[in-house]
Amino acid sequence: GAVVSQHPSWVICKSGTSVKIECRSLDFQATTMFWYRQFPKQSLMLMATSNEGSKATYEQGVEKDKFLINHASLTLSTLTVTSAHPEDSSFYICSAPRDLVSEQYFGPGTRLTVT
Amino acid sequence: RKEVEQDPGPFNVPEGATVAFNCTYSNSASQSFFWYRQDCRKEPKLLMSVYSSGNEDGRFTAQLNRASQYISLLIRDSKLSDSATYLCVVTKPGNQFYFGTGTSLTVIP
Repeated sequence: GAVVSQHPSWVICKSGTSVKIECRSLDFQATTMFWYRQFPKQSLMLMATSNEGSKATYEQGVEKDKFLINHASLTLSTLTVTSAHPEDSSFYICSAPRDLVSEQYFGPGTRLTVT
Repeated sequence: RKEVEQDPGPFNVPEGATVAFNCTYSNSASQSFFWYRQDCRKEPKLLMSVYSSGNEDGRFTAQLNRASQYISLLIRDSKLSDSATYLCVVTKPGNQFYFGTGTSLTVIP
């Protein structure tokens, strides 16, 4: 069964609004989670590393004020897309490792469409 | 320069064929290597880890060449169900995953 869940699985919002996406580890604690974005016919692009109890680390070119990450507990990280625009429409996926050396478990993804 | 470079394909092969994918990475400090499979509109699923000694799982064989910084995946006796996008993944010491662009495979009856 799934070990990482995401909510919602899809969302449609109007331009200018903010959207929050949740990523939960279901049967393990994750001090670190990762957020990715995937545009159609492209690969996953790492956006940021979410760290429980501290600030997220963003990859080069990713606006931290636009993509707010909060890792409030050992099982939950949230990504908020602020003032969304149509170009933010994408497939957002999170992942979490059970420990520092194990494989990553991916959430099922959230498909965001901004109209 | 991208962390991971991968031929996007597409590869269209008949059932039963053998197909190979390659991937190169730029950071010699990369720690772990994986092949993931992604079906359309789904999350990636781990196919196999990649070790320098080479590893095999049924019809799938993965190989890592640290000196040349490339990773390979060989699929023998292709099945229709193998049709997917195959992503090579390289990790850094912080366990950040860096994906290749993915190679699209279609197995034709």
